[in-house]
Amino acid sequence: DGGITQSPKYLFRKEGQNVTLSCEQNLNHDAMYWYRQDPGQGLRLIYYSQIVNDFQKGDIAEGYSVSREKKESFPLTVTSAQKNPTAFYLCASTRGINTDTQYFGPGTRLTVL
Amino acid sequence: AQSVTQLDSQVPVFEEAPVELRCNYSSSVSVYLFWYVQYPNQGLQLLLKYLSGSTLVKGINGFEAEFNKSQTSFHLRKPSVHISDTAEYFCAVSFAGGSEKLVFGKGTKLTVNP
Repeated sequence: DGGITQSPKYLFRKEGQNVTLSCEQNLNHDAMYWYRQDPGQGLRLIYYSQIVNDFQKGDIAEGYSVSREKKESFPLTVTSAQKNPTAFYLCASTRGINTDTQYFGPGTRLTVL
Repeated sequence: AQSVTQLDSQVPVFEEAPVELRCNYSSSVSVYLFWYVQYPNQGLQLLLKYLSGSTLVKGINGFEAEFNKSQTSFHLRKPSVHISDTAEYFCAVSFAGGSEKLVFGKGTKLTVNP
């Protein structure tokens, strides 16, 4: 079945540690996105990538980094510079056209202790 | 500035009652409009979208939405809700001539009570 996978579903880390969240898609989509979701805040865009080896900052990129070495993979690293990293993180992908549906993964809930 | 406003953060209703979830947007260019649903601890899935043509759009699970250009609205409706409709609903907008990025509203939590 085609879709987006995110792993792990739950992640716990100590303050000051970097952590990498995985996102893989087998939909052959060009564009991929990372969102952060906090209660009552909706979805806020962290980074997005329209093509392999290229990515752009979204609205809240500070304290995060990404890479896009393969079309199907778009990992997100939450660095120690992110002041409040505890949140639900969602990955999505599309063909890269603004009329297209975004397909979402199941999310990773990160808790920093 | 381009933005999306969901006017109600929480909407409680009884089972089999009708419901309307409100969404307004602000844009100086043409828009494409989406409604997504999120069940607890899951990702989002598309309910319906408006790209062009008929302003009344039908989606999955009996939901429909109407695009009103003059009022810059895209309200979501269902004539009779079920317990299983309990979820958070997000309105989102992309802008003609722009990138494929979506701007999301803050969400409306629909709770259907027996």
